[in-house]
Amino acid sequence: AQKITQTQPGMFVQEKEAVTLDCTYDTSDPSYGLFWYKQPSSGEMIFLIYQGSYDQQNATEGRYSLNFQKARKSANLVISASQLGDSAMYFCAMRDSGGQNFVFGPGTRLSVLP
Amino acid sequence: DAGVIQSPRHEVTEMGQEVTLRCKPISGHDYLFWYRQTMMRGLELLIYFNNNVPIDDSGMPEDRFSAKMPNASFSTLKIQPSEPRDSAVYFCASSLGGIGPLHFGNGTRLTVT
Repeated sequence: AQKITQTQPGMFVQEKEAVTLDCTYDTSDPSYGLFWYKQPSSGEMIFLIYQGSYDQQNATEGRYSLNFQKARKSANLVISASQLGDSAMYFCAMRDSGGQNFVFGPGTRLSVLP
Repeated sequence: DAGVIQSPRHEVTEMGQEVTLRCKPISGHDYLFWYRQTMMRGLELLIYFNNNVPIDDSGMPEDRFSAKMPNASFSTLKIQPSEPRDSAVYFCASSLGGIGPLHFGNGTRLTVT
């Protein structure tokens, strides 16, 4: 069965610093996708970044990058130059080709300090 | 492009009443998911559809919950009768294909008193 683990319930980072949010996953399917979502206090779920299991390069989207270590089954999100608006819950998620289900981790609450 | 549209945004109802939540997925998307989010349990998958067919409803809490997708552009999640423990934010999300990202609606905040 698919499983996503996010071991950091909460994180603090100083404005303009970089921060890494951890995510590990478990699946027996060789083909899968990994995703990160942001949920600000307003409640909407915002898709940030995607990494395919066969992608050779780490995904990047603006200030977001995904540190993909396939052998370790980890897919950490790196946010560079943190901004106050980055304060939110961040969810790691996975989808494999077998179930096509979409499994979310418990989330990490990031607080950016001025 | 219009995103996933959910209605209503907020619903307050009394215990025992029927509640119907509605969702319009992004045009052309062939997967539709219903999630429930609470502080205690996080994001729980209730059910998902592929090409209007329910694929996995193992997350539906009990017989009080039912979901339908009569066509590619509309889905409903019904709770009858509602109970206070059903209070949560209910999200609908859609995707194109079985490997891509989900696109979420803004959610329906349900309060059952």
